[in-house]
Amino acid sequence: EAGVAQSPRYKIIEKRQSVAFWCNPISGHATLYWYQQILGQGPKLLIQFQNNGVVDDSQLPKDRFSAERLKGVDSTLKIQPAKLEDSAVYLCASTLWGGGPSYNEQFFGPGTRLTVL
Amino acid sequence: AQSVTQPDIHITVSEGASLELRCNYSYGATPYLFWYVQSPGQGLQLLLKYFSGDTLVQGIKGFEAEFKRSQSSFNLRKPSVHWSDAAEYFCAVGPYGGSQGNLIFGKGTKLSVKP
Repeated sequence: EAGVAQSPRYKIIEKRQSVAFWCNPISGHATLYWYQQILGQGPKLLIQFQNNGVVDDSQLPKDRFSAERLKGVDSTLKIQPAKLEDSAVYLCASTLWGGGPSYNEQFFGPGTRLTVL
Repeated sequence: AQSVTQPDIHITVSEGASLELRCNYSYGATPYLFWYVQSPGQGLQLLLKYFSGDTLVQGIKGFEAEFKRSQSSFNLRKPSVHWSDAAEYFCAVGPYGGSQGNLIFGKGTKLSVKP
């Protein structure tokens, strides 16, 4: 079974530029998460999708961050314009739909390391 | 508010020695608890999880963790550390049930292994 795919793996941009990250979850996983992991910290949830709908985006800085999952499969996270403090690893994770404890296990992609200069 | 505390930022152990990584949580209900490992340049890999039942859970790579409700702790242990265990370890707590909700992570403990 293929894992969660993310691209690019690395990105370096100047502040005020825009950038986009792509994530393709495990096949059949209805729930998709984007996390931000700043150096020295644990991942922090930015947004959660259930199929193509947003479940939780309370920690997404909506003035500059946006995300979409139009067909309920792959997803794009965009930052526009980027700030220095956006330098981080952006992790995508997915999990199966449904109730029960076994479906709460999240599978993570390798992440995209963003450096804003 | 829900939170996870990993008191040790960095731990160094000798290869073959035992290991215990500490995790304390604050959560209003019965939590789901997880330990993840992250090697450099890699995503997070689930080591083990606790949902209910036996409070001592076994995971991959020889790791185990014990849930202690009275202490709000979920410490990770391994009896004999291998050099390949050097990585960063994250404890996380999740809300009850299904695919709703999210994981709250601690800040991580970096493990170094001396030969």
